[in-house]
Amino acid sequence: SYELTQPLSVSVALGQTARITCGANNIGSKNVHWYQQKPGQAPVLVIYRDTYRPSGIPERFSGSNSGNTATLTISRAQAGDEADYYCQVWDSSTWVFGGGTKLTVL
Amino acid sequence: QVQLVESGGGVVQPGRSLRLSCAASGFTFSSYGLHWVRQAPGKGLEWVAVISFDGSNKYYADSVKGRFTISRDDSKNTLYLQMNSLRAEDTAVYYCAKVGIAATLNHYFDYWGQGTLVTVSS
Repeated sequence: SYELTQPLSVSVALGQTARITCGANNIGSKNVHWYQQKPGQAPVLVIYRDTYRPSGIPERFSGSNSGNTATLTISRAQAGDEADYYCQVWDSSTWVFGGGTKLTVL
Repeated sequence: QVQLVESGGGVVQPGRSLRLSCAASGFTFSSYGLHWVRQAPGKGLEWVAVISFDGSNKYYADSVKGRFTISRDDSKNTLYLQMNSLRAEDTAVYYCAKVGIAATLNHYFDYWGQGTLVTVSS
């Protein structure tokens, strides 16, 4: 089965840039999607198909995907960006999530 | 606006059954595939099952295959998850989620419900 590996936690200073990675074999050949989940809330789509932002998601959120690593980048991090972030792909009729990364804004 | 509202969760004994519902509004229900995704307490997201826009294709995670059944009623704009032979490890918040592109399955989830909690315990 296809596995996605994310760091358990990432910390970023207020106003700086956070990068959350999602690693897997040849993930660059797949479409990667990213979700933000705040405590007690449902996940929210923040990036789809590697680089696209849904309407209403700030331009500070961006994505990239190449080789064995996909990356979610959050520029000018704000306190409101503190959340768990999950990457997700489709593989052989299964929908796979990474283990999630807790982003802390210091 | 798109709304997905889950119901049917609760406390159930191991080995028993439960049926979850997800009432949808704000989009053409019959044009979109729909998923169930769960999250055990303090854990990450786990995909459970998906049904295609026309109900012709259904896929399940290995952890629930043979015990859970996904279905839809387009006349009621409602998605279901029939859960049989429940186990303690099925304890989780269950979310329904809409596929982002009409008439497809292998894409992202663009809208999620707020979830319903299922607790399997004696």
